[in-house]
Parts: sequence; structure tokens; C-alpha cells
Amino acid sequence: KNQVEQSPQSLIILEGKNCTLQCNYTVSPFSNLRWYKQDTGRGPVSLTIMTFSENTKSNGRYTATLDADTKQSSLHITASQLSDSASYICVVSHDFYNQGGKLIFGQGTELSVKP
Amino acid sequence: NAGVTQTPKFQVLKTGQSMTLQCAQDMNHEYMSWYRQDPGMGLRLIHYSVGAGITDQGEVPNGYNVSRSTTEDFPLRLLSAAPSQTSVYFCASSYTRDQERWPLHFGNGTRLTVT
Repeated sequence: KNQVEQSPQSLIILEGKNCTLQCNYTVSPFSNLRWYKQDTGRGPVSLTIMTFSENTKSNGRYTATLDADTKQSSLHITASQLSDSASYICVVSHDFYNQGGKLIFGQGTELSVKP
Repeated sequence: NAGVTQTPKFQVLKTGQSMTLQCAQDMNHEYMSWYRQDPGMGLRLIHYSVGAGITDQGEVPNGYNVSRSTTEDFPLRLLSAAPSQTSVYFCASSYTRDQERWPLHFGNGTRLTVT
């Protein structure tokens, strides 16, 4: 069964600290993996995308890694800010999405950054 | 540039009532889709459209209808509301269906409660 599992479900960190969120997937065949950030009461916004051949991608203080062999991805947030408080969603594209594949969404990790 | 606009933001319905959730985008995107987001679950695809006049079912289409008469608008109709349809509904669009090149742009959601 094609699944995306994220851990932890929730996380509380202090402002200025780093943190890492995990995403494990069983989607096959795999096309690409994208991380989205969802602020409370808003829609998700894309942070990074990685294809099969990429193993790291950065967007400011956000760095995503991908190990396609172990089917794992992580999102590392450096020097966290209060505005990083949000849900982070891992999304895997099954097969070739533009040819009829589909997106598999994780359930999200709820991050809370405290002052 | 408004992006993806959803109306209303909140709605309460009684069981058996019908209603239409509105979605409009001003980015000339070909691809539009509707998702529902429930606690503890990943976003699930209801219906999607790859262009004006073309629609197809996602993974949870029962109880919902869509049409796409223009590129800009993609309304979602609830035919006879049921408590199981209580959820947050997101409309999302992208330039084409190829998510490797084009991320989804989400609206800010409609929170629907069916009593």
C-alpha cells in the first residue's frame, strides 16, 4: 500500500533552536517528494521539491534531504523563529504524476516554536 | 495577484442540505483540484480538472459534484450534506498536472460543519 508516514506528530522547541522532521514513504514507483508548510487557518505552501536523483535541497533556513534507497526524507529547520510554528506536510508523487499518477500526503508534523 | 480564492470561509449545514463551495484562480492554471483535510489524516483528493470542460474523480468523490466551465472557476457541490462531510476543504491549482515542475497553489480553505 502506498503510504507516507511522518514523525513526530508534534514537536515543541525553543526559538533559535534547530529541529528535524522525518518522512518515511512506501510509495512505489517514486517520482518526487515535496515538503509543504501549512500555517494555522491557511492552505499549504510549497517549501522544497526533490526528485529521485537529488539528495538535498535548501530554501533559506529549511533544508530537505532524501534517501531514495531507504525511502526516507527529512526537513531540517535551522535557527527556528516564531513564524516557523506550523504544520509541515510531506507529499510523495506516485509514478509519473503528469501521466496519471497521484499525490500521497502525509498527516503532517505540528511544530510549535516557543519564545 | 489574488492566487486561489475560496468562499465561504466557514459554513454550517443541516443534514440533507445542498451547497456549493466556490473556488477561483487568477493565475491561468490549467489544473485545479479539491481536497478535504480531516484530523490525523493526509489531504485526500475529491475531484480534479486538467482543463475547462474536463473533470475526473479522485479518491473520495462520493457525495460531491464538480464542473469546469471556465479556466478560472472550479466549484464543488455537495448534493445532500452528511455529518461525514464535516471537514476543511481546500481548492488547489497548478500550471499543469506535472507536480515535478509546478507546485500546487492552495486556497485558504472552507471549514464546513454538517449537523
